Amino acid sequence: SAVISQKPSRDICQRGTSLTIQCQVDSQVTMMFWYRQQPGQSLTLIATANQGSEATYESGFVIDKFPISRPNLTFSTLTVSNMSPEDSSIYLCSVDGGPRDEQYFGPGTRLTVT
Amino acid sequence: GQQLNQSPQSMFIQEGEDVSMNCTSSSIFNTWLWYKQDPGEGPVLLIALYKAGELTSNGRLTAQFGITRKDSFLNISASIPSDVGIYFCAGQDNYGQNFVFGPGTRLSVLP
Repeated sequence: SAVISQKPSRDICQRGTSLTIQCQVDSQVTMMFWYRQQPGQSLTLIATANQGSEATYESGFVIDKFPISRPNLTFSTLTVSNMSPEDSSIYLCSVDGGPRDEQYFGPGTRLTVT
Repeated sequence: GQQLNQSPQSMFIQEGEDVSMNCTSSSIFNTWLWYKQDPGEGPVLLIALYKAGELTSNGRLTAQFGITRKDSFLNISASIPSDVGIYFCAGQDNYGQNFVFGPGTRLSVLP
């Protein structure tokens, strides 16, 4: 499976600011995914990012709040814009692989908004 | 949308005991995945199941794809302290569709 790294690993941010999270994969992948995991909760898919096209957002998530870039086949960024305390979560990127495109996850970015 | 239920929500067991947990859905799934998440880490894929009735092992872990295709089970034998964590199931109803994740089972192992 691919090796996935994320930056930053954690951050504490002020309300109203924005944070960009980076995801780097050690091999070329077609699709990259961004998930949110709120404290004590399960994983919720934010959007799917394909290289060369706009990201596809899940219900409840919008591009203005979570803009995503996918400039090449090994890298993606997720920006959390105009943050509020409700955005405090772990943000995870993942890639698919295996016979049925199983998801493989990065270590996550723990975001706290004060 | 689709939802998965996991049982139990949490469990405390003695080291050396066997563990059983399950995941159920109101919908039929074609793929079931089991993940383990340690504190401060991303989920790690443990076992993937691709057809009804399939039984797959990974060391002390064994998972089964339910015959009805609406459930899956994960068993851990002879638990050890490093088994502590949250276990998530995930299902996919059609190939190419996104995976849905269950709420997790939090496992604590007492020495």
